[in-house]
Amino acid sequence: EIVLTQSPGTLSLSPGERATLSCRASQSVSSSYLAWYQQKPGQAPRLLIYGASSRATGIPDRFSGSGSGTDFTLTISRLEPEDFAVYYCQQYGSSPLTFGPGTKVDIK
Amino acid sequence: QVQLQESGPGLVKPSQTLSLTCTVSGGSISSGSYYWNWIRQPAGKGLEWIGRIYASGSTNYNPSLKSRVTISVDTSKNQFALKLSSVTAADTAVYYCTRRGEFWGQGTLVTVSS
Repeated sequence: EIVLTQSPGTLSLSPGERATLSCRASQSVSSSYLAWYQQKPGQAPRLLIYGASSRATGIPDRFSGSGSGTDFTLTISRLEPEDFAVYYCQQYGSSPLTFGPGTKVDIK
Repeated sequence: QVQLQESGPGLVKPSQTLSLTCTVSGGSISSGSYYWNWIRQPAGKGLEWIGRIYASGSTNYNPSLKSRVTISVDTSKNQFALKLSSVTAADTAVYYCTRRGEFWGQGTLVTVSS
């Protein structure tokens, strides 16, 4: 099973700032099958990035993903008020599919 | 636009079987090479993948739940289903059905309590 570790656990930033979230895998993620999700309270997660770097439909270009192998990054170039949420990474290259524990981005 | 909707009892007694159904609209469950997941989230905690099924009926399960989980598909009804046996309070969670990670149901809270 691939274990995903996310850092930091909490990121306190102000609107307009840049957010950099990290996801590290315990072993190489097959074919960069790494996704990022955003979740707000009381809502289902929303897919942001798949294939490590491809934006999902309707996702603003301030969200970008990068990385390969075991190290992946989600970057939000300029935080908007609606971006304060919890972010999860997920690998779907091998079964069992696994999620990281999440990074909470909150308002400083 | 594909939409998914979970349905089933919101309260299950300990040791019984949790049964949920996900109804897919806006697209056929049989089309494409998609897989259909069940994912759960205990209150205030992270996401846990339960398992997935392809339209062909092929399944993969989380090893931590494998002995208790069955996921099935009914292509005639455009539905897939989750059964989780011998439930305990630790199975209390919001349960989501998804098409890969693209489309999600709104989630349904299942509480295990006598």
